[in-house]
Amino acid sequence: AQSVAQPEDQVNVAEGNPLTVKCTYSVSGNPYLFWYVQYPNRGLQFLLKYITGDNLVKGSYGFEAEFNKSQTSFHLKKPSALVSDSALYFCAVRDPLHSGNTPLVFGKGTRLSVIA
Amino acid sequence: NAGVTQTPKFQVLKTGQSMTLQCAQDMNHNSMYWYRQDPGMGLRLIYYSASEGTTDKGEVPNGYNVSRLNKREFSLRLESAAPSQTSVYFCASSRLDSYEQYFGPGTRLTVT
Repeated sequence: AQSVAQPEDQVNVAEGNPLTVKCTYSVSGNPYLFWYVQYPNRGLQFLLKYITGDNLVKGSYGFEAEFNKSQTSFHLKKPSALVSDSALYFCAVRDPLHSGNTPLVFGKGTRLSVIA
Repeated sequence: NAGVTQTPKFQVLKTGQSMTLQCAQDMNHNSMYWYRQDPGMGLRLIYYSASEGTTDKGEVPNGYNVSRLNKREFSLRLESAAPSQTSVYFCASSRLDSYEQYFGPGTRLTVT
């Protein structure tokens, strides 16, 4: 079965510092991996995805994520955090060995707080 | 394009009442999904519809029913609401060849 773990409920970082939000996954094949962001009282917004190709994926708002197959990880990163990055971040996975358009499996979310 | 829209935005129900949450998308997506979001639990899939005419149970389907009315619309029904169904409900959609999901703004439901 496919699953995803976000080991940190909360990450605090000072504005201007680099940030990392961690994600590990478990699938039987090569994964499709996603990051979403949720601002207060809003739906989830897509940030970036890894399907195949370069292990470093660049997405919206200056975020990037690195796919590491040996560590089964897909950590979200940004070189310089902004206060406006404060939000709830979700990692999601899909196992392409599943037939049909089966849904993504989401992690429990990590709350990022960027302090000015 | 409006994307994914959900109605209502807020709802308060008494235990035992019924209601239907509406979802519509204007992106010509084949697949649609219903999730609930609870603190510390992340997003949990209730039901999904991979394509028009099909529906499948997700992780937490008990107490819910769904209808894929047409390609655009996917409704979620609570027949007899319970306090455990107090949650924020999100609808999402995606293309058949892309697993990137687009989310609606959510419905905040309270059952007293």
